[in-house]
Amino acid sequence: DAGVIQSPRHEVTEMGQEVTLRCKPISGHDYLFWYRQTMMRGLELLIYFNNNVPIDDSGMPEDRFSAKMPNASFSTLKIQPSEPRDSAVYFCASTRREGSYEQYFGPGTRLTVT
Amino acid sequence: QQQVKQSPQSLIVQKGGISIINCAYENTAFDYFPWYQQFPGKGPALLIAIRPDVSEKKEGRFTISFNKSAKQFSLHIMDSQPGDSATYFCAASKKTGANNLFFGTGTRLTVIP
Repeated sequence: DAGVIQSPRHEVTEMGQEVTLRCKPISGHDYLFWYRQTMMRGLELLIYFNNNVPIDDSGMPEDRFSAKMPNASFSTLKIQPSEPRDSAVYFCASTRREGSYEQYFGPGTRLTVT
Repeated sequence: QQQVKQSPQSLIVQKGGISIINCAYENTAFDYFPWYQQFPGKGPALLIAIRPDVSEKKEGRFTISFNKSAKQFSLHIMDSQPGDSATYFCAASKKTGANNLFFGTGTRLTVIP
């Protein structure tokens, strides 16, 4: 199993540009989570999906952030327009079924907005 | 607000020593308490987990101690090794709903030879 795949691994962009982060969960996993990690705030849950449907997006910072999961094997997190304070490492994680609890994390995307 | 509080923020331990990281929570609906380990440049990975029906769980050199009445749990790393140097996150999850975890702020452990 390849694990959770994220791309790109690193992204450097200028303020105001659109950024799209991508995630491929582990095959057969029903839940997908997007997290943001910063030194100041640690790991924050942004949004999660169950069977491709967004369940809780209360962690999304503001309307500049949006996430989609068009099918069971692909999800995107988009920031438009990006701002310097969005600089962070963004993780995608997946888990198999409700109650299994263990989340498998991808390697993350390090985003730098200048 | 932070649902799971973790301390210390950083920890330096001599090789062979015991590393102890503490976490506290308020929400009694939490029923699953995992610890995740993260190496630089990698995503967090599950290390060990406990449910509130037991007070201790041990896996190799790693032990979780759980105090339900105090709403506290801790990770003990016995015979700490330089390879244990990483960031450790405690977390908690609720009985109902999905698998969303509430993470502590992390502890950066450095084990010096």
